[in-house]
Amino acid sequence: GAGVSQSPRYKVAKRGQDVALRCDPISGHVSLFWYQQALGQGPEFLTYFQNEAQLDKSGLPSDRFFAERPEGSVSTLKIQRTQQEDSAVYLCASRLTPEYGYTFGSGTRLTVV
Amino acid sequence: ELKVEQNPLFLSMQEGKNYTIYCNYSTTSDRLYWYRQDPGKSLESLFVLLSNGAVKQEGRLMASLDTKARLSTLHITAAVHDLSATYFCAGGGSQGNLIFGKGTKLSVKP
Repeated sequence: GAGVSQSPRYKVAKRGQDVALRCDPISGHVSLFWYQQALGQGPEFLTYFQNEAQLDKSGLPSDRFFAERPEGSVSTLKIQRTQQEDSAVYLCASRLTPEYGYTFGSGTRLTVV
Repeated sequence: ELKVEQNPLFLSMQEGKNYTIYCNYSTTSDRLYWYRQDPGKSLESLFVLLSNGAVKQEGRLMASLDTKARLSTLHITAAVHDLSATYFCAGGGSQGNLIFGKGTKLSVKP
């Protein structure tokens, strides 16, 4: 597609519920990144894929967070047993190569109640 | 690890005035990025600065990079209301991820 597509756009989850957030990057983009943006803050890095390989997951805040990109295109960020502190906007970005800039999706706003 | 600090965090300007947003970073970063974010929206890429002394301009915005001082600036010339947004600078982390500053919330008033 022309841009990075994320779904759902908004998600309200009850505390303890599992959620799955989807990112569809620009076709052919090798690198895919997930970021978490709390209200009024800058985005913070969660994890990074190059094709289907997850090369860095150092930013995932706990083992409740899990990301995958099994075929090197669409990626899913899963959060198990959601907590209120997980409420944030989750942004996905993709990039063709390091020489190119990053394109961000519109994000998924997760609210845990 | 790379740390990025922006100042000011909040900026209220009058239309027609000039101002500069500063971005300091703590360790070597091979490139520096500026993004704009409107409320409820995603990040829009403004500039990618690749080398020392790089200067890029688009409309009323001009960005520069001084790698020796570990400083990037975003200069706003003759501000207009449409520039009201939050501006982020970001450096390249070791894994290719971006490390963002906290952002500068700019409000341009008539």
